[in-house]
Amino acid sequence: KAGVTQTPRYLIKTRGQQVTLSCSPISGHRSVSWYQQTPGQGLQFLFEYFSETQRNKGNFPGRFSGRQFSNSRSEMNVSTLELGDSALYLCASSLGHASSYEQYFGPGTRLTVT
Amino acid sequence: QKEVEQNSGPLSVPEGAIASLNCTYSDRVSQSFFWYRQYSGKSPELIMSIYSNGDKEDGRFTAQLNKASQYVSLLIRDSQPSDSATYLCAVRSTGNQFYFGTGTSLTVIP
Repeated sequence: KAGVTQTPRYLIKTRGQQVTLSCSPISGHRSVSWYQQTPGQGLQFLFEYFSETQRNKGNFPGRFSGRQFSNSRSEMNVSTLELGDSALYLCASSLGHASSYEQYFGPGTRLTVT
Repeated sequence: QKEVEQNSGPLSVPEGAIASLNCTYSDRVSQSFFWYRQYSGKSPELIMSIYSNGDKEDGRFTAQLNKASQYVSLLIRDSQPSDSATYLCAVRSTGNQFYFGTGTSLTVIP
């Protein structure tokens, strides 16, 4: 089975711009979660989508949003970028129900905001 | 108080020794626990999951869970230099929220 894929792998943006990141989960996985990883804060949960519905949301401002499509692919959008948004953005897929909550991470998108 | 706490390390062990990594969590009703390994510049890789009290073994790795003490650990036997990485503890808590510790850096010295 193919693993989780994320595009693009690297991005450089300017303050005030917006960005859209994409994640394709493992085939058959219906849950996609997004995380922000920075050296100071570690892995922080952004949100989780399951069957096109946002099931959970972390403590991030409304500038961070996401969606999930019927094929379980997910996108994350960050508007009005700030310098502090520079981070590694990881998505993780899982079956998302009681038989397995194990999450498998993609390679990440490294976002640099200048 | 953080949801998941780990000693940041660094933890250094000689090759062939047992490395012991520890994690505590705050939500008493948490049901699922995971250990991830993250090499520098890479994304986290799932090593083990554990759901019930006791030990779970997979090759050189053993996860131990004690829900009464809200404590989960990972033992790595016969440590190899290739085990040098940051180990992340993750907990699935109330409402299906996942919380990660900040990780313990492990160095295995040849």
